[in-house]
Amino acid sequence: KAGVTQTPRYLIKTRGQQVTLSCSPISGHRSVSWYQQTPGQGLQFLFEYFSETQRNKGNFPGRFSGRQFSNSRSEMNVSTLELGDSALYLCASSWEIYNEQFFGPGTRLTVL
Amino acid sequence: TQLLEQSPQFLSIQEGENLTVYCNSSSVFSSLQWYRQEPGEGPVLLVTVVTGGEVKKLKRLTFQFGDARKDSSLHITAAQPGDTGLYLCAGVFRGNTPLVFGKGTRLSVIA
Repeated sequence: KAGVTQTPRYLIKTRGQQVTLSCSPISGHRSVSWYQQTPGQGLQFLFEYFSETQRNKGNFPGRFSGRQFSNSRSEMNVSTLELGDSALYLCASSWEIYNEQFFGPGTRLTVL
Repeated sequence: TQLLEQSPQFLSIQEGENLTVYCNSSSVFSSLQWYRQEPGEGPVLLVTVVTGGEVKKLKRLTFQFGDARKDSSLHITAAQPGDTGLYLCAGVFRGNTPLVFGKGTRLSVIA
């Protein structure tokens, strides 16, 4: 069974730009969660989608948004990028909400 | 805000040594998970513990959940270089709430 895939793996943007990251969950998984990982703050929860509905959102500004499609694939978008948005963005899927999470390899975003 | 504290932050040991890392909270967990993350990869789930006092073994790794479900430990026996990585604990404090991750223990096992 294929694992969680994330594209792109690496991304370099400049301040003020926007970015869209994509996540394909494990087949059959309906829950997709997104996390931001930085050396200082560790893994922080962004949001979680289940059957195309956002069920929970972390403490991040409105510049961070996401969505889930009917095939469970998910995207997250960050608008008006700031230097502090540089991080590893991880997507995780699970059978049900917040069950054991299977992570993708992440997208490394660098904002210059 | 529920927090998970992991200790130590960094650990560097020689191959063959034993070690224990800790995960603590002032709140009660509904369940707790341990992950290992290697450079350039996402975290990989090692174990989930649910019952207070529960002990689970995964080869040379032993996971223990505190009786009060506020703390957990991971013990590695005879560490090997392949055990090198970032060990993360993640707790669920009540049903259908997001996982809360600790900042991790970065382990380096030197051959």
